Amino acid sequence: GQNIDQPTEMTATEGAIVQINCTYQTSGFNGLFWYQQHAGEAPTFLSYNVLDGLEEKGRFSSFLSRSKGYSYLLLKELQMKDSASYLCAVRVADDKIIFGKGTRLHILP
Amino acid sequence: GAVVSQHPSWVICKSGTSVKIECRSLDFQATTMFWYRQFPKQSLMLMATSNEGSKATYEQGVEKDKFLINHASLTLSTLTVTSAHPEDSSFYICSAGGTVAGNTIYFGEGSWLTVV
Repeated sequence: GQNIDQPTEMTATEGAIVQINCTYQTSGFNGLFWYQQHAGEAPTFLSYNVLDGLEEKGRFSSFLSRSKGYSYLLLKELQMKDSASYLCAVRVADDKIIFGKGTRLHILP
Repeated sequence: GAVVSQHPSWVICKSGTSVKIECRSLDFQATTMFWYRQFPKQSLMLMATSNEGSKATYEQGVEKDKFLINHASLTLSTLTVTSAHPEDSSFYICSAGGTVAGNTIYFGEGSWLTVV
């Protein structure tokens, strides 16, 4: 079976840092994605990790530990526009992507 | 610009009618495309894998006779919701890519279906 867990909701303050965790147990693993999705819109790509370690891209960083089945997305210098859902997704066999339920992030001024 | 294009973005149809959603890969040939459905405040759920020139592979619990998938060319997959009911109202989105697209997965813009 496929199981991807992430917190349902998180709240953080503008200008702060927040870490969104994701654990996964999947039949096959070819990489892990993080997507941002604003209400009513299609997901937008944030990051893709295949190898263990941290990848930094501006205010966003993503970490992967394959041995632990664990990833996190780190958002720095939070802005109000970062209020959105963040989807952890695992690429399994045949280019299928299985999504977690998503984490709704609320940013407070 | 869009690498995977989906049409229409919004569609309203009457109960009992059928509606077709198209997904096109613009910059690469896709032997495989994927269809997802997303209900409000929920995550994307994989419905089926669309295979060019052969039958689609449906995920458990998805009715293949209700959600018809056709992948007649290497750049086009269509999802037809047959005999639509209000509970079929949802956000439908396709994806394509992988090894044929620089190892990147692209999503279409999504299609909002409302059945009245």
